[in-house]
Amino acid sequence: DGGITQSPKYLFRKEGQNVTLSCEQNLNHDAMYWYRQDPGQGLRLIYYSQIVNDFQKGDIAEGYSVSREKKESFPLTVTSAQKNPTAFYLCASKSSGSIYQPQHFGDGTRLSIL
Amino acid sequence: GQQLNQSPQSMFIQEGEDVSMNCTSSSIFNTWLWYKQDPGEGPVLLIALYKAGELTSNGRLTAQFGITRKDSFLNISASIPSDVGIYFCAGQSNAGNNRKLIWGLGTSLAVNP
Repeated sequence: DGGITQSPKYLFRKEGQNVTLSCEQNLNHDAMYWYRQDPGQGLRLIYYSQIVNDFQKGDIAEGYSVSREKKESFPLTVTSAQKNPTAFYLCASKSSGSIYQPQHFGDGTRLSIL
Repeated sequence: GQQLNQSPQSMFIQEGEDVSMNCTSSSIFNTWLWYKQDPGEGPVLLIALYKAGELTSNGRLTAQFGITRKDSFLNISASIPSDVGIYFCAGQSNAGNNRKLIWGLGTSLAVNP
């Protein structure tokens, strides 16, 4: 089945620790996105990548880092600089073949602080 | 970042009732999208709208792209318990190189069987 796979489903971070969230897609999509979701705040864009080896900051990039070495993969690292990392993280992808293609989402990773 | 004005914030209805929610923006959009999110899962695309005035249906769901290109609504007819979830609108402008989606804050729907 084609789709977007996020792992792990649940993740716990200790104070001062970096953690990496995985996002893999086999839809052959060029563009990939990371969102953070907090209760009552909707989706906020962290980083996005429109092509391999290129990515741009979204609205809340501080304390996060990404890489895009392969088309299928867009991992997100939550660094120790992110002081309030507890949230639901969503990865999305879309085809860049047409500006009208919508984003499709994975099932998310819930990150909590120990 | 910019956000859309989505209303209502939450709704509690009886099974069988119709539901209506809407989103407005101060900017013009070329695309309106409606997603539904179940608890603990990612949003799933319900309807995509690409033309001002467009009215599109998907089963019991109907959505319209406003004529002014600054608003959209989603209607759900004859609601059922599995309609429970959070509904998000999202808009996109095709201007320039920035094609990010702008999101509403969601409408939380509860259905009483």
